[in-house]
Amino acid sequence: DIVMTQSPSSLAVSAGETVTINCKSSQSLFGSVRQKNYLAWYQQKPGQSPKLLIYLASTRESGVPDRFIGSGSGTDFTLTISSVQAEDLANYYCQQYYDTPLTFGSGTKLEIK
Amino acid sequence: QVQLKESGPGLVQPSQTLSLTCTVSGFSLTSNSVHWVRQPPGKGLEWVGAIWSGGSTDYNSALKSRLSISRDTSKSQVFLKMNSLQTEDTAIYFCTRYGWTYWGQGVMVTVSS
Repeated sequence: DIVMTQSPSSLAVSAGETVTINCKSSQSLFGSVRQKNYLAWYQQKPGQSPKLLIYLASTRESGVPDRFIGSGSGTDFTLTISSVQAEDLANYYCQQYYDTPLTFGSGTKLEIK
Repeated sequence: QVQLKESGPGLVQPSQTLSLTCTVSGFSLTSNSVHWVRQPPGKGLEWVGAIWSGGSTDYNSALKSRLSISRDTSKSQVFLKMNSLQTEDTAIYFCTRYGWTYWGQGVMVTVSS
């Protein structure tokens, strides 16, 4: 199974700051056929289903604010949230869908100071 | 529009079998895969398994001996059956379509006597 190591587990920032969340996979998520990385990022608020933010490592889902940026390739990936807003309070997860069984990172809890 | 909705019993006794249904609309099961994801209270997301458009299945390595996923394409329904339930199986169970944009609201399953 591909292991997804996500860090940090939690962080607290003030509104307006920039946040970086890291996700490392135990093997490459780069598919040679489509030349894409099969990595997604989700936001989950309490009592809600996960919301897709980023897919294929760097493609922003429709309607997601452009302050959410996905980057990385191979085994190392990053979700950057620039100018964090109070509404960004949530848990964030990475997920690989390169191979089954699909696996998630352990999550990052974002708190706003 | 695309919708997924989970249904099933809220309470299951230990050692019994869990049966959940994911009813979908707005898309065909013969052209899309449906995945099950679960989340224990206060914990992270865990991929449970999937049924692919062609009808084949894949399962979480730790659960595959207890798990079965099937479908009825005529009714647009996907079924999850998990036997020998334990308290650790207490979780919210979500169904989602590959592509990860669309998720059900989730159904809370409690394993308790």
